[in-house]
Amino acid sequence: GQNIDQPTEMTATEGAIVQINCTYQTSGFNGLFWYQQHAGEAPTFLSYNVLDGLEEKGRFSSFLSRSKGYSYLLLKELQMKDSASYLCAFLDSNYQLIWGAGTKLIIKP
Amino acid sequence: DTAVSQTPKYLVTQMGNDKSIKCEQNLGHDTMYWYKQDSKKFLKIMFSYNNKELIINETVPNRFSPKSPDKAHLNLHINSLELGDSAVYFCASSQDVAGNTYNEQFFGPGTRLTVL
Repeated sequence: GQNIDQPTEMTATEGAIVQINCTYQTSGFNGLFWYQQHAGEAPTFLSYNVLDGLEEKGRFSSFLSRSKGYSYLLLKELQMKDSASYLCAFLDSNYQLIWGAGTKLIIKP
Repeated sequence: DTAVSQTPKYLVTQMGNDKSIKCEQNLGHDTMYWYKQDSKKFLKIMFSYNNKELIINETVPNRFSPKSPDKAHLNLHINSLELGDSAVYFCASSQDVAGNTYNEQFFGPGTRLTVL
C-alpha cells in the first residue's frame, strides 16, 4: 500500500532553524514535493526531489533518501511569515500525487 | 494575470441542492485537477483531466461530475449536496501528468463550500 506521514504541528523561534520530516511508503516513486500553505490560501510549490541528496533554494532546503523513504524540509533564519502548513507529497508510479496531511509550523518571536 | 482562478470563492447552500464551481487556467497547461481538502487538511485528489480526457477518477460519489469544455477550463458540478461535502475545493493545473519531467501543480485560490 501507500502511505505518507509527517508531524501534525511544530513550533520554532524566529531566526532559528527547523526541520520538518516526512516518511512515505510506496511501490512506485517518481519524486517528492514540498508545498507551503498559509491558512485560508492555496498550496504553493517549494521544492521537488527525485534523486537522493539535498536541494538548496535560499533559506529552504529539501533532502531525499529513496532507500529510507524519507525526506525533510529545512527552513533557516525563520521569519514570522514562515508560519504555515507544509505539505509533502510523492508522485506514485501512475504519476498521481499522494499528499500528507501537512505540518503546521508555528513561529514564535 | 491570475494563473489559476476559481469561482465562487465562497459557496453556502442547502442540503439537496445542485451547485457548480468553475475553474480556469491561463498557463497553457495540459492537465487540470480537482482536490478536496477537508477539516483535517488532507488534500484528496478527485479528478484530473488531460486534453479533455478524464485520466484519474478517484472513488468519489457519482454526484460529483467534472466537465471540461476546453483545455483551459475544468468545472466541478455537484448534485444533491450533502453535509459531508462541506470542504475547500481546489482546482490545480500542471504542464504534464506523466513523462520525464515533474509536474509542479499550480493551485487556484480554493472554493469554501458550506452545506447547511
